[in-house]
Amino acid sequence: KAGVTQTPRYLIKTRGQQVTLSCSPISGHRSVSWYQQTPGQGLQFLFEYFSETQRNKGNFPGRFSGRQFSNSRSEMNVSTLELGDSALYLCASSPDRGMDTQYFGPGTRLTVL
Amino acid sequence: DAKTTQPTSMDCAEGRAANLPCNHSTISGNEYVYWYRQIHSQGPQYIIHGLKNNETNEMASLIITEDRKSSTLILPHATLRDTAVYYCILSSLNSGGSNYKLTFGKGTLLTVNP
Repeated sequence: KAGVTQTPRYLIKTRGQQVTLSCSPISGHRSVSWYQQTPGQGLQFLFEYFSETQRNKGNFPGRFSGRQFSNSRSEMNVSTLELGDSALYLCASSPDRGMDTQYFGPGTRLTVL
Repeated sequence: DAKTTQPTSMDCAEGRAANLPCNHSTISGNEYVYWYRQIHSQGPQYIIHGLKNNETNEMASLIITEDRKSSTLILPHATLRDTAVYYCILSSLNSGGSNYKLTFGKGTLLTVNP
């Protein structure tokens, strides 16, 4: 099976812009979670989607949003970018049968100038 | 906040076993112990997980103490490619019945030396 894929792998934006990141889960996986990783804060949970619905959310401002499509692919959007949004954004998918293991994609490296 | 404590860094000689400890003294009965590793700037890679019993797979072994307050990840024959940050994480089902969120601490940087 193909793994989790994320596009683009690298992105450079300027402050005030918005950005959309994409995640394609492993085939058959229905849950997609998003994480932000920065040197200062480490890996932090953003939100989780299941069946096109945001089911869980971490402690991030409303500028961070997402959605999931009927094929389980997910997008994450960050509006009004700030310098502090520079990070590695990771998504992870799981089948969602209880204690299923989450499998991570390679991440999207976002740099905000 | 992460509920696990790991050493900041460890060294291991290539070909030797790497034993990575993790303390989780406040673990609750329904929490599993998960191990992931992250090679520089890549996504975390799942290694192994367990609840009470010791577990082994093609990558590693997981030894959980009887009181479940600590565990050890064992890489039996470390190679240079095992150099990575290793995360020990506790996870349980939420009220909706799924394991959706992993809370990562700072992990252990394992350096395998030639």
